[in-house]
Amino acid sequence: EPEVTQTPSHQVTQMGQEVILRCVPISNHLYFYWYRQILGQKVEFLVSFYNNEISEKSEIFDDQFSVERPDGSNFTLKIRSTKLEDSAMYFCASSLRGGGDSNQPQHFGDGTRLSIL
Amino acid sequence: KNQVEQSPQSLIILEGKNCTLQCNYTVSPFSNLRWYKQDTGRGPVSLTIMTFSENTKSNGRYTATLDADTKQSSLHITASQLSDSASYICVVKPSGYNKLIFGAGTRLAVHP
Repeated sequence: EPEVTQTPSHQVTQMGQEVILRCVPISNHLYFYWYRQILGQKVEFLVSFYNNEISEKSEIFDDQFSVERPDGSNFTLKIRSTKLEDSAMYFCASSLRGGGDSNQPQHFGDGTRLSIL
Repeated sequence: KNQVEQSPQSLIILEGKNCTLQCNYTVSPFSNLRWYKQDTGRGPVSLTIMTFSENTKSNGRYTATLDADTKQSSLHITASQLSDSASYICVVKPSGYNKLIFGAGTRLAVHP
């Protein structure tokens, strides 16, 4: 069964440094998402991406965050200047279709654990 | 405020037994409700998706129910197996949005 793959599985970065988290969504999917889960807390939505632009973002997704689909297969999340509170598990997800009332499942990768020192 | 609350927080059952997990939500307007299974160290995996017009949906030994009037859902696991040990997360998709709103999950431990 096709999978969403994320690299690296664990990233350790000094506070203030830039970090890029990488994802390869399922190949025929059109909608892409990033979520994060701070240790012991709920999974939180960050951003959705469709047709090469952001379709929705949460208040967490401020100017320090950006997303990009640099080629036909990768989807990246960049944090420009990391803070201690950015430490979390970051999940990438993709779905075949999306939009407001879509009941398509979002398929999740296994996440990248980001540790900010 | 759009919220999803789950109970119990954690549950221990013996292998072969059944259990039911609960979810209450205040998300409105509501598009659909999903149950996900999350193994430790892994990403969430979709079990069921129900629209507001569906009352029940099954996926093998997992059966989800939905009462859109009372804004409650449950996930029933039949004949539990050791591999069912995981967190089960209730997730609601608000109407008109791409995002999913997650509950905190119920951590289920199945003991032999």
